[in-house]
Order: sequence, then structure tokens, then C-alpha cells
Amino acid sequence: LAKTTQPISMDSYEGQEVNITCSHNNIATNDYITWYQQFPSQGPRFIIQGYKTKVTNEVASLFIPADRKSSTLSLPRVSLSDTAVYYCLVGVITGTASKLTFGTGTRLQVTL
Amino acid sequence: NAGVMQNPRHLVRRRGQEARLRCSPMKGHSHVYWYRQLPEEGLKFMVYLQKENIIDESGMPKERFSAEFPKEGPSILRIQQVVRGDSAAYFCASSPPTGRQTLAKNIQYFGAGTRLSVL
Repeated sequence: LAKTTQPISMDSYEGQEVNITCSHNNIATNDYITWYQQFPSQGPRFIIQGYKTKVTNEVASLFIPADRKSSTLSLPRVSLSDTAVYYCLVGVITGTASKLTFGTGTRLQVTL
Repeated sequence: NAGVMQNPRHLVRRRGQEARLRCSPMKGHSHVYWYRQLPEEGLKFMVYLQKENIIDESGMPKERFSAEFPKEGPSILRIQQVVRGDSAAYFCASSPPTGRQTLAKNIQYFGAGTRLSVL
């Protein structure tokens, strides 16, 4: 599995856009990039997934450059409730279920 | 459609006792995963099961830990003779049958976890 590197923590004010970048230099051709969000005392929650270019949903956007060696999760106009840990996962998606490998994630703190 | 249900939410055991953690997957999901999380760390994979089968137990300690997912009923993670180092949050996740994984690739849905404290 490709190893990922992301900042340990980030701070933001409410209403700002937050961009969390994840490095995955050894990403393989068949790897997808997936982001999960975890609130205190809860299980992780799927946010977004992509393979290349840009993916957008109602929660976030995911930007993936052509070389796919990094990806950026973009959270528009964050609120206090976006305070959480964000995990970047990279792994092969073969159509068969498999385990997820979590790093330590990025702890986002949003304040007024 | 109820999400992944785990119980109990909190479990306190004394050293040497047994801990049983239960997980009911989302309706229609046939894959169950167990993860362990220590404070300030990411989740660590323990075991992956399908109905009545263990598919991957590479993350589970060889002794004292066992898991099952019977044909009927919830998945059970069992820890025998607990020690203080077993204190952690244990999360269960489920995913649909692989035939339904085409667009949403291997997305797992997590329960709220069971927090085990060993005194």
C-alpha cells in the first residue's frame, strides 16, 4: 500500500476555505484516493474518493494533479462542526472488499 | 436504513475478564471489519469477515482475540483474559457485497465504536 503523508494539524477560522494536502509519492496505477472524517468519539465517515483530476460532492472537493503523487481535500467555508480528524487513504480498489490502512490523519481545529 | 450498530458503547472490565463486542452491519452488507484505535492514533485493521468466514485476520493478535460473523446475528469480537493494554476504542465497519462496489469503491461504513476500559 502506498504510504501517505499529511500535516499533523491545521487551524482555521470559521467561514474560511481549508485545503489539506496529502502526499503519496509511491501511488500505484490502480490506487484510488479516499478521504475519511472522524469526529471525537465517533467512527470515521467517508467524505470523498477520486482517481484523477477533480471530484466534487456536496461536502468537499478533491483535487488530484496529473502525476497523482499528491491530493488536496478542499473544504469550502468551514464551520465549527468541521472540527475533526481527516484521513487520506490510498489503496488498490479491485472490486473486492479489503482492509483500510489509516495514518494518523490531520487534526483540523476551526474557531470563531 | 439504520447504520452500523455497535454495542455496548462503553465496556469496563477487570484484568483477566472477557470482553465481548457486538456489531450489526448495515442492512444488505455482507462484509464486516474490525479496527482498533488507541488515543491520538489512527485506526489499525484487525480482521475482515464475511458471513461465517474469516477472510483476513492479519491484524489480529494470535492469542486471546477471536472474531466471528455467524449466519444469523451480529458479528462478535471476543477478547479473553483482558489486560490493560487492550484498553482502546474498537470500531466495526461494513460494506456491501462486492458486486455493488463498482462506483463507490470499497467504501466502508463505520459504527460509533465500543470503548473498552480495562481496570
